[in-house]
Amino acid sequence: DAGITQSPRHKVTETGTPVTLRCHQTENHRYMYWYRQDPGHGLRLIHYSYGVKDTDKGEVSDGYSVSRSKTEDFLLTLESATSSQTSVYFCAISESSQPRGTEQYFGPGTRLTVT
Amino acid sequence: RKEVEQDPGPFNVPEGATVAFNCTYSNSASQSFFWYRQDCRKEPKLLMSVYSSGNEDGRFTAQLNRASQYISLLIRDSKLSDSATYLCVVRKDSGGYQKVTFGTGTKLQVIP
Repeated sequence: DAGITQSPRHKVTETGTPVTLRCHQTENHRYMYWYRQDPGHGLRLIHYSYGVKDTDKGEVSDGYSVSRSKTEDFLLTLESATSSQTSVYFCAISESSQPRGTEQYFGPGTRLTVT
Repeated sequence: RKEVEQDPGPFNVPEGATVAFNCTYSNSASQSFFWYRQDCRKEPKLLMSVYSSGNEDGRFTAQLNRASQYISLLIRDSKLSDSATYLCVVRKDSGGYQKVTFGTGTKLQVIP
């Protein structure tokens, strides 16, 4: 299995509080991604990173920010959590973004509940 | 119309049966295709890529039909351990990065 860890694995927080989720990889892969997974929806991309300090928005980026100060760490921050952000969050990594590049490998997920 | 559509199932099949899933995609410019497997409350894991000529990996066969814009996954001699949700994934170039779209998944339950 790819060396990807996420922390925390579970979190319950209150509406309006800031929350930071961490993704850590030991594979030295260039690309890192944050997804959320909700019933009735496929995995949806929040933000991704194509290198240290290089990030861009995905399809559901509103209310989220990210930072990547080291190759191995990709942080997802909910500035002010809302109940609609209750979800399972997956981090993924890939070596390349090219069509024939290596595929995405996922971390174990973080279950976030916003009350 | 969703970019990637799958029958959510569940497909309940007996051990040893053959089962097939289809997945349709709407964007004809899609370039790469994959099947992922996701066990309950676990992360998705790559099962196999799907190549234009079709490809096989043990009991699993994947096919791509670009004309009709669908991919398929065939599982032969189903095992209890095949019970999972199978996610169809489509990728296309989108202004400098590969846009990856996941289907919502097809649930398979293999019954003893």
